[in-house]
Amino acid sequence: GENVEQHPSTLSVQEGDSAVIKCTYSDSASNYFPWYKQELGKRPQLIIDIRSNVGEKKDQRIAVTLNKTAKHFSLHITETQPEDSAVYFCAASIRADKLIFGTGTRLQVFP
Amino acid sequence: GAVVSQHPSRVICKSGTSVKIECRSLDFQATTMFWYRQFPKQSLMLMATSNEGSKATYEQGVEKDKFLINHASLTLSTLTVTSAHPEDSSFYICSASRLEHYNEQFFGPGTRLTVL
Repeated sequence: GENVEQHPSTLSVQEGDSAVIKCTYSDSASNYFPWYKQELGKRPQLIIDIRSNVGEKKDQRIAVTLNKTAKHFSLHITETQPEDSAVYFCAASIRADKLIFGTGTRLQVFP
Repeated sequence: GAVVSQHPSRVICKSGTSVKIECRSLDFQATTMFWYRQFPKQSLMLMATSNEGSKATYEQGVEKDKFLINHASLTLSTLTVTSAHPEDSSFYICSASRLEHYNEQFFGPGTRLTVL
């Protein structure tokens, strides 16, 4: 079945630096790739998503890139702030609606 | 729009009892609802997918007789954990999708289940 790998598992950066999280998926039929931010005990929050017909998408400090040939996609956060500290999950959709999640990255932004 | 609620937010029960968790889409009709389980410091694992009026589709390794899912309407799905045991203690999260937002899922706030 579909598998999504995510790296790194933890990431510590200084405030103002950039953070990059990478994911690889196994099923070439995947066509939807969302990224979620989850704070402790809370629901996942969609922060950005990309579809397979697009190579890059940006929303203020957050951007996502997709390489369909290599089957990987990445989250880029620029000018990080302490409030960006959370666990981030990537996911891939292998058919309409069903999401497979990556293992998560704990991001810590130090002031 | 696209608000999903869950009830209860927390539940503590004794081993052997059954617990029902409700998931509601408050301002839209959900074409599909999903149930996830999340253990501490782990990812979300899809348990099952349900569509209104039909049987749920369970992921491999999820016992359908233990985790009963009922999807009685386009706005309500319930998950019943039958004969709960301490190893069932987890964070259960539902989500719902809507036809106009192909692929996107809207998540409920989650239910923390603790089985003593």
